[in-house]
Amino acid sequence: GQSLEQPSEVTAVEGAIVQINCTYQTSGFYGLSWYQQHDGGAPTFLSYNALDGLEETGRFSSFLSRSDSYGYLLLQELQMKDSASYFCAVSVADDKIIFGKGTRLHILP
Amino acid sequence: DVKVTQSSRYLVKRTGEKVFLECVQDMDHENMFWYRQDPGLGLRLIYFSYDVKMKEKGDIPEGYSVSREKKERFSLILESASTNQTSMYLCASSLPSGYTFGSGTRLTVV
Repeated sequence: GQSLEQPSEVTAVEGAIVQINCTYQTSGFYGLSWYQQHDGGAPTFLSYNALDGLEETGRFSSFLSRSDSYGYLLLQELQMKDSASYFCAVSVADDKIIFGKGTRLHILP
Repeated sequence: DVKVTQSSRYLVKRTGEKVFLECVQDMDHENMFWYRQDPGLGLRLIYFSYDVKMKEKGDIPEGYSVSREKKERFSLILESASTNQTSMYLCASSLPSGYTFGSGTRLTVV
């Protein structure tokens, strides 16, 4: 079967750095992406890694190691508005994406 | 920006009713998807479509059907709604690297 594993919840302090890990086991792999979802809202696309290494977009960075079937999302200078659920997702064949179950990020003042 | 519009934000339907959820995207994307999202289960793929009149089953197609008569519109149909179909339904249109989601339809079947 196909599976993505990520922690169900993570708690961090405002202004700190937090890393959300994702490991995957899929039949195909084209890339790893991350989505953010606030309560009551729809998921919004954050980043995509097709190659190994770190991609940085402002306060957010995403890392991929294809040999380890592993990636992470790094959030720096945490703000209260970053409180949300974060989903990792793997692009498999034919433009189809499989999502993890999401990590709920709690930020303490 | 790509816009994906779902016609209803909230719906309440009775058991046994036929329910139509509509989704429209404005970027001429070929690929469109329907997911449902439930607490603790994440996003699960119901159906997807690569082109007009083409459809593929996702992971949980039972109890659902879809229609794609025009490229911009992808409809999800619950033939006979049941209480276990109470959920958040999300439509998505694809970029090469990721999806743009609609705002979702929260369906309650009573």
